[in-house]
Amino acid sequence: AQSVTQPDIHITVSEGASLELRCNYSYGATPYLFWYVQSPGQGLQLLLKYFSGDTLVQGIKGFEAEFKRSQSSFNLRKPSVHWSDAAEYFCAVGLMEYGNKLVFGAGTILRVKS
Amino acid sequence: KAGVTQTPRYLIKTRGQQVTLSCSPISGHRSVSWYQQTPGQGLQFLFEYFSETQRNKGNFPGRFSGRQFSNSRSEMNVSTLELGDSALYLCASSPRGGGVQPQHFGDGTRLSIL
Repeated sequence: AQSVTQPDIHITVSEGASLELRCNYSYGATPYLFWYVQSPGQGLQLLLKYFSGDTLVQGIKGFEAEFKRSQSSFNLRKPSVHWSDAAEYFCAVGLMEYGNKLVFGAGTILRVKS
Repeated sequence: KAGVTQTPRYLIKTRGQQVTLSCSPISGHRSVSWYQQTPGQGLQFLFEYFSETQRNKGNFPGRFSGRQFSNSRSEMNVSTLELGDSALYLCASSPRGGGVQPQHFGDGTRLSIL
């Protein structure tokens, strides 16, 4: 069955420190990969996506992610975290045959300490 | 350009009632998808509509239904409400159906069942 795993439920980092959020997927075909961010009381905002090509993709707010096919991973990174980055982050996967249906991971809550 | 608009933002219903939620996609977007978000089950795909036709359906009972109008606006209906239907219902739009595309989410409708 298709699945997306975000192993870390909570992560706490100091402001200015680097960040890496992990995402692993289980699919037979090449997936389409997304990272979304959700602030309390709001919907999801798209940070970045990977469809094909360069495996290192750049997104908004200084985020980047790297697709590693051999590890079935799509980890999100940011070199220096700001207090405003505190939110919940979701990794999502889509498959061409399922159209716009996305399968989401359980999310990682990021806390930023000053 | 206005984003995805969901109304109402909050709803309180009692068990056994039915409810209708509305979603207006980004202007020019023709595909609308619906997701349910709960603390226990996370984000789960309900269905996708494109050109007034349901293209994909998630694993939800028949009490959950939807439709799309010729102007791409969509509604979802939940009949015979149960306590477990309490959730944040998110609508997302994308320019077209067929294949995977980045989706743009609204801020959701928070449904509480008493």
